Amino acid sequence: AQKITQTQPGMFVQEKEAVTLDCTYDTSDPSYGLFWYKQPSSGEMIFLIYQGSYDQQNATEGRYSLNFQKARKSANLVISASQLGDSAMYFCAMREDMNRDDKIIFGKGTRLHILP
Amino acid sequence: DAGITQSPRHKVTETGTPVTLRCHQTENHRYMYWYRQDPGHGLRLIHYSYGVKDTDKGEVSDGYSVSRSKTEDFLLTLESATSSQTSVYFCAISEPVLEQGSTGELFFGEGSRLTVL
Repeated sequence: AQKITQTQPGMFVQEKEAVTLDCTYDTSDPSYGLFWYKQPSSGEMIFLIYQGSYDQQNATEGRYSLNFQKARKSANLVISASQLGDSAMYFCAMREDMNRDDKIIFGKGTRLHILP
Repeated sequence: DAGITQSPRHKVTETGTPVTLRCHQTENHRYMYWYRQDPGHGLRLIHYSYGVKDTDKGEVSDGYSVSRSKTEDFLLTLESATSSQTSVYFCAISEPVLEQGSTGELFFGEGSRLTVL
């Protein structure tokens, strides 16, 4: 079964608008971590934000916030005031703590295009 | 930036030949991973290591083997490359979540593009 689902293969958004990238996950582990990574056209993987399953508040990092809805098993990334440089591939990922091996599984990604 | 280097960065080879990709880190992180990235599939975990000589299989391990004889080096070997192994390969490292202050965040190398003809 797919553990991480990103249902939006591609998105087009006008510059300066807010963007929500969807991510749902599946786990029976009560302890886990959720990550978002950005991959620009240059190819490097850039860590954006992290949310632990026991964190009480949604994570925020500058213009990035993670809308964590535990009961719905969703961890959407919100980018406020989008910029042209936000055009990239975005990956949601999850670490399950049950096995104590810390491996991280990724979704298939969403390609975001910011329009001027 | 985390000190992770992958070599070679680009390689073209023929079906049936052996290929070894090297990942070298200078961060002394305990965990190391190999992922492959293909369009429409995101990143898929091939193998990972949680210590010297301790490795395990990921989601797509068939046709790949790994070795980790030193903390800093993690080798990915394709014993007999096939066209389906044409991909971009990423190495990543992390510290255990149990380490104070660690989220288990992955730090990535720059990727190695492998083409199997």
